[in-house]
Amino acid sequence: GENVEQHPSTLSVQEGDSAVIKCTYSDSASNYFPWYKQELGKRPQLIIDIRSNVGEKKDQRIAVTLNKTAKHFSLHITETQPEDSAVYFCAASIKGGATNKLIFGTGTLLAVQP
Amino acid sequence: GAVVSQHPSRVICKSGTSVKIECRSLDFQATTMFWYRQFPKQSLMLMATSNEGSKATYEQGVEKDKFLINHASLTLSTLTVTSAHPEDSSFYICSARVLGQVNTEAFFGQGTRLTVV
Repeated sequence: GENVEQHPSTLSVQEGDSAVIKCTYSDSASNYFPWYKQELGKRPQLIIDIRSNVGEKKDQRIAVTLNKTAKHFSLHITETQPEDSAVYFCAASIKGGATNKLIFGTGTLLAVQP
Repeated sequence: GAVVSQHPSRVICKSGTSVKIECRSLDFQATTMFWYRQFPKQSLMLMATSNEGSKATYEQGVEKDKFLINHASLTLSTLTVTSAHPEDSSFYICSARVLGQVNTEAFFGQGTRLTVV
């Protein structure tokens, strides 16, 4: 069935270091890959997304790369700050009727140590 | 960005009763809304896709008679947890996409913390 795997489950970095979170998906037809940040007790917020027609996208300190052949995509956060601490979820868009549904990865708890 | 409002944010109910959760898109229309369930420190598990004017599409393993979904308008979907039991206690969260868009940002409600006692 549809599946999105995410690693690592927890990640601790020093302030200023980079953080990388990796995901793999199972459905080769997936063509949209968003990343969400969820702070404790709050709703998930989109931080960046990528579509299958591009291999990389960057927005300031955040970048996402996509390898369609390997069905991998990764989130890169540079110059991490304490406010980056949160749970990060990757997702892959799966065709489901009139619209595409999002299947989420298992999440990564990122802790940025000051 | 677009705003999705979910109500109530917290609810405590007795075992055997039913609870209704509302999900509203405040400044856009959404043909489709999605209902997720999230256990503590776990991922968002898709329960069902709510379609305006038609039956919801449930994910495998989700009981449609237990989790009733109604999407009566382009701005409102409701999830009713029927005959709730303690194991139904969880964080329920909805999301919606702007009408007509397929592969774009899904906006999330603030979630509903359900506790069944």
